Amino acid sequence: EAQVTQNPRYLITVTGKKLTVTCSQNMNHEYMSWYRQDPGLGLRQIYYSMNVEVTDKGDVPEGYKVSRKEKRNFPLILESPSPNQTSLYFCASTSPGLAGRWTDTQYFGPGTRLTVL
Amino acid sequence: GENVEQHPSTLSVQEGDSAVIKCTYSDSASNYFPWYKQELGKRPQLIIDIRSNVGEKKDQRIAVTLNKTAKHFSLHITETQPEDSAVYFCAASIHGNQFYFGTGTSLTVIP
Repeated sequence: EAQVTQNPRYLITVTGKKLTVTCSQNMNHEYMSWYRQDPGLGLRQIYYSMNVEVTDKGDVPEGYKVSRKEKRNFPLILESPSPNQTSLYFCASTSPGLAGRWTDTQYFGPGTRLTVL
Repeated sequence: GENVEQHPSTLSVQEGDSAVIKCTYSDSASNYFPWYKQELGKRPQLIIDIRSNVGEKKDQRIAVTLNKTAKHFSLHITETQPEDSAVYFCAASIHGNQFYFGTGTSLTVIP
């Protein structure tokens, strides 16, 4: 079954304790992305990756790191989490569209609800 | 960067009526405009998208229109049903790289 998986689904942690949220897709997609969703703000892109070893900042990258060592995995790293990073996080991957870099359907993972105390 | 505004933030319609959600964008380089539906507690799912070389696209009861000159695009849902109740997000992107989302519209279809 084609899918995007995220782990953990729920996480409560304390300020300053490093954490990693994993994301994996089994669709051989080149493009992957991380978003955070906050009430009233919609989804905001944190980082995206066009391919292995290629990552770029999205709209709200401060306080986050990512890596793309393999095509299927795109972990999100919070080196020193703070309460303002409490949010719902979504990973997504996209298949290439018909015209090269055009995207097609963006598949979202189930989400990770993070609380930083 | 790009700025996407979405209106209204909440919308209630009677079952069978039409619903229209509007979005504006600021960057004329944006050329891909997807719409997502998010049901309570679930992940966003693409329902329709449009590229800048097309003015309108339709898929059964859902249609999207794009006015590049005015930099706005709209989602139209006809013959609404209770299962259409959800939060809808518009987004704008340049060649599918960075995505900028609207703040969402909570649609309630009243039976």
